[in-house]
Amino acid sequence: EVQLVESGGGLVQPGGSLRLSCAASGFTFSSYWMHWVRQAPGKGLVWVSRINSDGSSTSYADSVKGRFTISRDNAKNTLYLQMNSLRAEDTAVYYCARDPRGEWGPDAFDIWGQGTMVTVSS
Amino acid sequence: EIVLTQSPATLSLSPGERATLSCRASQSVSSYLAWYQQKPGQAPRLLIYDASNRATGIPARFSGSGSGTDFTLTISSLEPEDFAVYYCQQRSNWPPDTFGQGTKLEIK
Repeated sequence: EVQLVESGGGLVQPGGSLRLSCAASGFTFSSYWMHWVRQAPGKGLVWVSRINSDGSSTSYADSVKGRFTISRDNAKNTLYLQMNSLRAEDTAVYYCARDPRGEWGPDAFDIWGQGTMVTVSS
Repeated sequence: EIVLTQSPATLSLSPGERATLSCRASQSVSSYLAWYQQKPGQAPRLLIYDASNRATGIPARFSGSGSGTDFTLTISSLEPEDFAVYYCQQRSNWPPDTFGQGTKLEIK
């Protein structure tokens, strides 16, 4: 079964750090671009970051640039999001999503994890 | 950055009725537009990609149309499980991969 499972969320104080993980299974992880998307409580979807298949290229939303770092370990089939200098406005459910980019599947986010909640509060 | 505007914000319909959801882009995205469905407490699910292609396993009552700046998601006859929030996403000019603000489809 094709699956993405996030972990690592929790409660953290403003200014703190957290590392999210996204474990992939059931497909050739190293062939796909991957993304992080977040959703604040009661709000819409917001794209956060993306990484290409071999990890050599990354992009970030302006709101997280310089604070968040996306990475991947293709040997471990795992995607990461290192979040530093966290703010209250970073509070959200964080989803990882697979992106075939039209090469191995549709040009869209075709598989999503169940999400992990990050709460930034004192 | 391309901005996507969805309308209406909320759509109230009954099962069996036809639903028409709109997504307008601030500049042309060609046909690089996707639609997602999200139910409460669940992750988004891909419905439509490249404006009009149904994703694997998506029922035929869901269809997408449009190109350039104006797009439509149509649900031909609403089933009870279709009441959810729907998001459009542009894949033409990234980063960022922008989403619309969503349309909530609720039971009338």
